[in-house]
Amino acid sequence: RKEVEQDPGPFNVPEGATVAFNCTYSNSASQSFFWYRQDCRKEPKLLMSVYSSGNEDGRFTAQLNRASQYISLLIRDSKLSDSATYLCVVNMGSANAGGTSYGKLTFGQGTILTVHP
Amino acid sequence: GAVVSQHPSWVICKSGTSVKIECRSLDFQATTMFWYRQFPKQSLMLMATSNEGSKATYEQGVEKDKFLINHASLTLSTLTVTSAHPEDSSFYICSARDLEGSSTDTQYFGPGTRLTVL
Repeated sequence: RKEVEQDPGPFNVPEGATVAFNCTYSNSASQSFFWYRQDCRKEPKLLMSVYSSGNEDGRFTAQLNRASQYISLLIRDSKLSDSATYLCVVNMGSANAGGTSYGKLTFGQGTILTVHP
Repeated sequence: GAVVSQHPSWVICKSGTSVKIECRSLDFQATTMFWYRQFPKQSLMLMATSNEGSKATYEQGVEKDKFLINHASLTLSTLTVTSAHPEDSSFYICSARDLEGSSTDTQYFGPGTRLTVL
């Protein structure tokens, strides 16, 4: 089983649509969770962190269910500029027993979103 | 926000040559930098964690003698792909953790270096 698993899509939606992405992770000891977006041939950019209580940033809402090891991202009122690959990212803790490598991020394979006029 | 630069942004080289990629944190200090690799239509895979003043920690399956990492200062880490072969062609991305950041999780990504080995 992959450490972080996403539906690769692609999702093709019209402008104004609401779209939801799901993600599951395998390590129950994972510490923190994020959604990144990556445009074609560019580096990933942090979209938002995901908190247990759920959080919202404008048209974007993220949810975390630790019991189910499940993360979601909801995009409302989709814009053309939302077209990108959305990456579910999990911090699984220290990279080694020496404790010198915090913040080891594990990326899902990404979900491709295309918003069309 | 914090800025991370990479140089070069793209490079084409012949098989057998070595390529050095630089990752710099421009407006903050980073004790830890990470090197990732991304093949087409795949996600980022962590290659190694680079700690200032000490040896890098490599992920399983990544050859440390092939991918040499040096993190000599709090603002610079380098990745050298030695004796590059066509299968090393990929998008190499670094990230840096802000020493003074409020969260140990915050990583800032560089723009990436696209390596093509002929």
